[in-house]
Amino acid sequence: KQEVTQIPAALSVPEGENLVLNCSFTDSAIYNLQWFRQDPGKGLTSLLLIQSSQREQTSGRLNASLDKSSGRSTLYIAASQPGDSATYLCAPGRNSGYALNFGKGTSLLVTP
Amino acid sequence: DTGVSQNPRHKITKRGQNVTFRCDPISEHNRLYWYRQTLGQGPEFLTYFQNEAQLEKSRLLSDRFSAERPKGSFSTLEIQRTEQGDSAMYLCASSLGGKTQYFGPGTRLLVL
Repeated sequence: KQEVTQIPAALSVPEGENLVLNCSFTDSAIYNLQWFRQDPGKGLTSLLLIQSSQREQTSGRLNASLDKSSGRSTLYIAASQPGDSATYLCAPGRNSGYALNFGKGTSLLVTP
Repeated sequence: DTGVSQNPRHKITKRGQNVTFRCDPISEHNRLYWYRQTLGQGPEFLTYFQNEAQLEKSRLLSDRFSAERPKGSFSTLEIQRTEQGDSAMYLCASSLGGKTQYFGPGTRLLVL
């Protein structure tokens, strides 16, 4: 059974800082990995998708890396803004069926 | 808006009642997933469809739960004889094959 761990569980930073969110997973036989953000009481917004053959993906101020063999992914957020405050979820997708396994997330607060 | 939609957004029911949720995926997406999320946890996979075929069901999906996707379009998730432990956010996602999963806003269920 895939176990997904996200560190730290919570993070508070002042506006403008660069930050790194970490994700580790126990089964490296994944098809892809998605990063999501979730605002309180809302659904999930997809941020980035990395295929298992890729090492990283970038979208705007976000950069996600994947080291499949070691079971790790990181999400780098540059020049953080208060609007980035949310819970960030990492979800490796299975080879069969592509269903996602989620960690508990990192709760991020960016203060003005 | 051509995203994933879910109805109702909120449902309050008494223990023992049956409830049904609906998910309308992005129109060209052939895969549809149901997840459940409880407070402070990441979403957990319940089941998924490829077109109209239900291909996998999680152990979390007891025999009180049933899901359908007639004609490979919208999907319904029914919970019979609800229990207080069924209280959660029920999330639907759709994708084209193994590509990015897009989530709906969720249906929040409270069983009294």
